[in-house]
Amino acid sequence: EIVLTQSPGTLSLSPGERATLSCRASQSVSSSYLAWYQQKPGQAPRLLIYGASSRATGIPDRFSGSGSGTDFTLTISRLEPEDFAVYYCQQYGSSQYTFGQGTKLEIK
Amino acid sequence: QLQLQESGPGLVKPSETLSLTCAVSGDSISSSSYYWGWIRQPPGKGLEWIGSIYYSGSTYYNPSLRSRVTISVDTSKNQFSLKLSSVTAADTAVYYCARLGPGRRYFDYWGQGTLVTVSS
Repeated sequence: EIVLTQSPGTLSLSPGERATLSCRASQSVSSSYLAWYQQKPGQAPRLLIYGASSRATGIPDRFSGSGSGTDFTLTISRLEPEDFAVYYCQQYGSSQYTFGQGTKLEIK
Repeated sequence: QLQLQESGPGLVKPSETLSLTCAVSGDSISSSSYYWGWIRQPPGKGLEWIGSIYYSGSTYYNPSLRSRVTISVDTSKNQFSLKLSSVTAADTAVYYCARLGPGRRYFDYWGQGTLVTVSS
């Protein structure tokens, strides 16, 4: 099983700042099979990024994804108030899906 | 627009079987080429994939849950279902149904989730 480790656990930033979230895999993941989700309290996760760098439908261009192999990054260029939430990375491989433990992005 | 809606008992006794259904609207399970799945989230914790199914009935499960999980599909009702047997308090979670996007690499549509509590 591929384990995804996200860092930091909590990120405290102010609106307008840049956020950089990390997702590290225990073994190499195909870029095609890495996705990012946003989850707000009481809501289902929402797909942000798939294929490591492709934005899902309706996702603002301030969200971007990058990386390859074992290291992937989600970047939010200029934080809006509605961006403060928990973010999860997810990988698919060998007919299994695993998620990272999440990064909480909170208002400083 | 595609919508998914989970339904089922919110309270299940220990050792019994948890049963949930996901009703799909806005698309036909049998006419599309998508896979569908179940994911759960214990209160205050992260996401765990449970298993997935194709309209043909082909399934694949999380190895850690495989011995207790059955996912089935009913194309006549445009829905799919989850059964988790021998539940314990550790199975208390919000259960989500979701659609797998093209290539079944990621979950692109999610239901709102339903909380299932395991308690006597």
